[in-house]
Amino acid sequence: EPEVTQTPSHQVTQMGQEVILRCVPISNHLYFYWYRQILGQKVEFLVSFYNNEISEKSEIFDDQFSVERPDGSNFTLKIRSTKLEDSAMYFCASSEVGGSGANVLTFGAGSRLTVL
Amino acid sequence: AQKITQTQPGMFVQEKEAVTLDCTYDTSDPSYGLFWYKQPSSGEMIFLIYQGSYDQQNATEGRYSLNFQKARKSANLVISASQLGDSAMYFCAMREVITGGGNKLTFGTGTQLKVEL
Repeated sequence: EPEVTQTPSHQVTQMGQEVILRCVPISNHLYFYWYRQILGQKVEFLVSFYNNEISEKSEIFDDQFSVERPDGSNFTLKIRSTKLEDSAMYFCASSEVGGSGANVLTFGAGSRLTVL
Repeated sequence: AQKITQTQPGMFVQEKEAVTLDCTYDTSDPSYGLFWYKQPSSGEMIFLIYQGSYDQQNATEGRYSLNFQKARKSANLVISASQLGDSAMYFCAMREVITGGGNKLTFGTGTQLKVEL
């Protein structure tokens, strides 16, 4: 079964460092997303990406965050200068279509980011 | 704004019994979709079942069924014949269509299900 692949599975970084989380979405999917889950809390939407641009972002997704699809297969989330409160599980997801209907978002296994 | 409420932080069920996980929602959009995802201790998010607001019948997927009561704005997940492997966190989520493309899911706070022998 096709899956969304995320790397690294766990990253530990020092506050103020840049972090790049990588994702390989399902190959025929056109819509890409990042969500995050702070430990013990609910999953929160960060950003959606379609046709090589951001289609929507949440208030969490400030100027410290950026996304890119550099080569047609990878989808990356960059945090420019990490803060302690960025510690969370970051999920990449993709979907084949984006309108109404049973458009299932397929999630990756997550990248756990720990900021010290 | 869309809102999802899961009022059961934790549930216990005996193996082979059925269990219902509650989910209520609020939206002003007449067209919406409701999803249930399972998150085992390993952390990944696994899609279980989907219900569209205009679907005439309640969704079913194997041992999972969705008790959709539109007037009550509830979309409860029913797991029949519980198995030990069903022990996990379960999230209810509502879909909002993004104008620029894609879907945004709003998640509830989740219900931790523990299946006991």
